[in-house]
Amino acid sequence: GNSVTQMEGPVTLSEEAFLTINCTYTATGYPSLFWYVQYPGEGLQLLLKATKADDKGSNKGFEATYRKETTSFHLEKGSVQVSDSAVYFCALSDPTGFQKLVFGTGTRLLVSP
Amino acid sequence: DTEVTQTPKHLVMGMTNKKSLKCEQHMGHRAMYWYKQKAKKPPELMFVYSYEKLSINESVPSRFSPECPNSSLLNLHLHALQPEDSALYLCASSQDGTGGIKSYGYTFGSGTRLTVV
Repeated sequence: GNSVTQMEGPVTLSEEAFLTINCTYTATGYPSLFWYVQYPGEGLQLLLKATKADDKGSNKGFEATYRKETTSFHLEKGSVQVSDSAVYFCALSDPTGFQKLVFGTGTRLLVSP
Repeated sequence: DTEVTQTPKHLVMGMTNKKSLKCEQHMGHRAMYWYKQKAKKPPELMFVYSYEKLSINESVPSRFSPECPNSSLLNLHLHALQPEDSALYLCASSQDGTGGIKSYGYTFGSGTRLTVV
């Protein structure tokens, strides 16, 4: 079936450190890939997306590249801030499931000053 | 307007109560969703409405009853809930069809924090 695997958290970093959160997927067909962010007590916000292989999504200093050959969509940021502390969810548009996103388990990021 | 609005933000209800959660969007999206999220877990899909018709029900117990009165509104009626139903309930919307999801994903509301006592 279609699924998303994320690295276990929490990821703990100091401010201005480099961030990578790994995401790999399994899917039939050609899904789109997404990163959502959830701040404490809030809903999920779309952070970035990529709709086809080799696309790079970017927003607020975060980037992720759709790698078909490695079935990956790793999230990166060059210099994290305390305000980036949140839970990050990788997701794919289920190519076989009508109107559905499939989410990974989420990775908590904690950034200390 | 690029928001999905959920009310109430917090709800405490007894196991014999009947309550409703409300979700509203004015983006012209024709697909709307209910998700349940337990602490430190990803969202779990409950229901999908497409053009005001129920298209997916993920084997949700009948004590949860969805309703889509029009293209902008989505309700979730709650009755005889159990303490294990306590969770964050998220509403989302997307442009119509599989192509809309593929291109734009979902827009989520901020959720209703439900506590069943």
